[in-house]
Parts: sequence; structure tokens; C-alpha cells
Amino acid sequence: GDSVTQMEGPVTLSEEAFLTINCTYTATGYPSLFWYVQYPGEGLQLLLKATKADDKGSNKGFEATYRKETTSFHLEKGSVQVSDSAVYFCALSDSGNSGGSNYKLTFGKGTLLTVNP
Amino acid sequence: NAGVMQNPRHLVRRRGQEARLRCSPMKGHSHVYWYRQLPEEGLKFMVYLQKENIIDESGMPKERFSAEFPKEGPSILRIQQVVRGDSAAYFCASSRRITEAFFGQGTRLTVV
Repeated sequence: GDSVTQMEGPVTLSEEAFLTINCTYTATGYPSLFWYVQYPGEGLQLLLKATKADDKGSNKGFEATYRKETTSFHLEKGSVQVSDSAVYFCALSDSGNSGGSNYKLTFGKGTLLTVNP
Repeated sequence: NAGVMQNPRHLVRRRGQEARLRCSPMKGHSHVYWYRQLPEEGLKFMVYLQKENIIDESGMPKERFSAEFPKEGPSILRIQQVVRGDSAAYFCASSRRITEAFFGQGTRLTVV
């Protein structure tokens, strides 16, 4: 079945440091890939997504590139801020595994990021 | 536009009691999804509902769990005769069509 493996946390960085959170996946079909973020006390929010190989999703200074050859979708940001402290979830939806509809998301376990001033 | 509203945020039940978790989707959204996050695990899909219909319940445990999304009112996830292993965070999401889903803050169920 489908699965997502992401870097275990917690990750603690100083403000303006470079961030990478690794994510790899296995899927039976051709999945769409997502990063969700959960700020303290809030629900999950879609951060960025990519739907085909070599696509780059980006938002709020975060980027991730869909790498089909390495089945990866690593999240990066060049300079983190204290306000980026949150839990980050990598996820996929595999239309080939859900009858042609990609509503069903498979999530990684989440990575807690703490950014110190 | 209010987001997806889940209540209660925290729920404590004794073993054998019933737990009812509510989810009010965003305005105009007719698709609702429930996910469960066990400790140290990622979110796992449970069920997908549209108004008055269960579309996909492939992630629901076969016994004690049920879900509904009536014509009027919130979606309800019901767990009968709760056990300690049901302790988890339950997340609801909604969407207008099969597009980006918006998640609620979750209900954290503790069974004592």
C-alpha cells in the first residue's frame, strides 16, 4: 500500500537557519504530493503541493520539488523564522489507489519544528 | 468564513462509554472526511461522506465506529463502548468538491 516516511523530529533551529525536512514515499499509482502545517492550537493547513514529476510547490518561502526518480518531496526553506514553529506533515493522494478520485490522503507521522530567536 | 469546526476539542470517556465527535464543515462544503491520529503515528483516513451518504468507509474499524452526515446539522463520528486503544486525535476535513480539503483543529479523545 501507499506510505509516507518523513524525517523524525523534533528539529530545533535558530532563526535564519536553513531548513530541510526529508520526505520519501511509496505509491501504487502516480500520486500528488503535499506538505501540511499545523501551528499550535490550530488545524492542518495546506502549505504547498505538486501534482507531477519535477513540479515545484512553493509558499511562504517554503519549497518542495516532486522527484519521481528518488520518490522524494523534501521541504526546504532558506531562512526560518520563529513564526515557522509548527508540526509539518508530508502527505500523498494516489488516484490510482482510490478509484480515480484523489480525496484519500496518506500522511507521514509529522515533524515538530521549533525555531529559537 | 468560519473554518471547519470540531467539538469538543477535548473529550474524556471511561471505558465502555460512548463518544460522539462533531464536525461542522466550512460553508458551502458538502464533502466531509474523518482521519484519526494515534500517538506517534500519522493521520489515517477513516471515512468520506457526502450529505446523507457514506462514500468510502474503508478506513473505519468494523465494529463500534459509525459516521453520519445528515441533511441538516454537523457530521458525527460515533464510537460505542470505547476502549483505551481508541484514545487518539480525530480530525475532520471538508471540501467543496474533490479538491483541497480544509482541516479542523481536531478532537482529542482520552479513554480512562
